[in-house]
Amino acid sequence: GAVVSQHPSWVICKSGTSVKIECRSLDFQATTMFWYRQFPKQSLMLMATSNEGSKATYEQGVEKDKFLINHASLTLSTLTVTSAHPEDSSFYICSARDLRTGRTEAFFGQGTRLTVV
Amino acid sequence: AQTVTQSQPEMSVQEAETVTLSCTYDTSESDYYLFWYKQPPSRQMILVIRQEAYKQQNATENRFSVNFQKAAKSFSLKISDSQLGDAAMYFCAYYQKAAGNKLTFGGGTRVLVKP
Repeated sequence: GAVVSQHPSWVICKSGTSVKIECRSLDFQATTMFWYRQFPKQSLMLMATSNEGSKATYEQGVEKDKFLINHASLTLSTLTVTSAHPEDSSFYICSARDLRTGRTEAFFGQGTRLTVV
Repeated sequence: AQTVTQSQPEMSVQEAETVTLSCTYDTSESDYYLFWYKQPPSRQMILVIRQEAYKQQNATENRFSVNFQKAAKSFSLKISDSQLGDAAMYFCAYYQKAAGNKLTFGGGTRVLVKP
């Protein structure tokens, strides 16, 4: 299957600072990338969908000014958590799909554990 | 909106035995896809099996098979000859191309494998 690399795997930041998480498709072009948040022992909650070259579409209740998503190329999307606070601590996962191929599988990154202290 | 329900928060199985995980979904569409994903302790999401709604034949992948009942909107996963490495969270997911290309996940079922 296709490979999606997410970086960093874990990050600790101070409250009030911003942190950027990268999601790269290594061996395919991702027309669409998805960002999820997962709380302990819970399912994945979709935060936003980003299409290459377009503004991201955010799910209801997700603050677009807090969670900035950029998808400037077909292989890279970034999620920036701005002015992070302890309640933003969570596990963030990206997934990618190339809609042009007609394939239905989405491929997932390894996830990033964010801890805000 | 589509919803996916996994009614079993946790299932326990003896090594080499069989376990079946339940999943039901709600949709008014006829063309969609269903998936089972595995999330081991590493938290990397791994695709286990996929089913196209237009196919009547149940999908199988080695020790993993599904029972797809379209009319009942049911999509259960059977793990045969369970192995210690099967211990993980399992998520049922629904996908429809027209619905923003999003995956809708169920709440998950934790599978414990006893040696």
